[in-house]
Amino acid sequence: QVHLVESGGGLGKPGGSLRLSCVASGFKFRDYYMAWIRQAPGKRLEFVSYISNDNTFTHYADSVKGRFIISRDNAKNSLNLQLNSLRDEDTAVYYCARMVNTWLDPWGQGALVTVSS
Amino acid sequence: EIVLTQSPGTLSLSPGETATLSCRASQTVGRNYFAWYQHKPGQAPRLLISETSTRASGIPARFSGSGSGTDFTLTIDGLEPEDFAVYFCQQYGNSPLFTFGQGTKLESK
Repeated sequence: QVHLVESGGGLGKPGGSLRLSCVASGFKFRDYYMAWIRQAPGKRLEFVSYISNDNTFTHYADSVKGRFIISRDNAKNSLNLQLNSLRDEDTAVYYCARMVNTWLDPWGQGALVTVSS
Repeated sequence: EIVLTQSPGTLSLSPGETATLSCRASQTVGRNYFAWYQHKPGQAPRLLISETSTRASGIPARFSGSGSGTDFTLTIDGLEPEDFAVYFCQQYGNSPLFTFGQGTKLESK
């Protein structure tokens, strides 16, 4: 069964850092691009970042560019998102998702990040 | 950036009825670049429909998608109790790569 499970997150201070991880199972992880999507309270879903299957290409939303770093370890079937220079507006549930052509499937259940002093 | 606007915001229906959910794009979206998802609280969003009208694996036939250009529709024929959830649309583009509608909450009357 194709499955993604996020971990990490929690409470971070403005200007601080947090790290999210996502472990994949049930499919050949190294064959797929992977993405992070987030949803802030009361807001619509927002694309955050994606990474190519072979780690050679990354892309970020303007809102996180220069602050967040996406990475992956194909040997461990894991996807990561390093959140630096946290801002209040980074408070959200963060989802990892597998990119399949022009859609996302599956998604993880989400990890909550709260930024507060 | 292509903005997706879903309507209605909330839809109140009874089991057995038909739900019609709309998603309007601010610019033309190719049929291959449009998808629908179901999201229940505390769960992972679930792909329902890709490429406007292709049901994902394991999705019941009561779910169907249609549309083109700027107007897309998700129809659920014969609502089951487990169908009451939030539904959102998604388009694949350039910048940002994915954009999403604000969601329609389908609630039981």
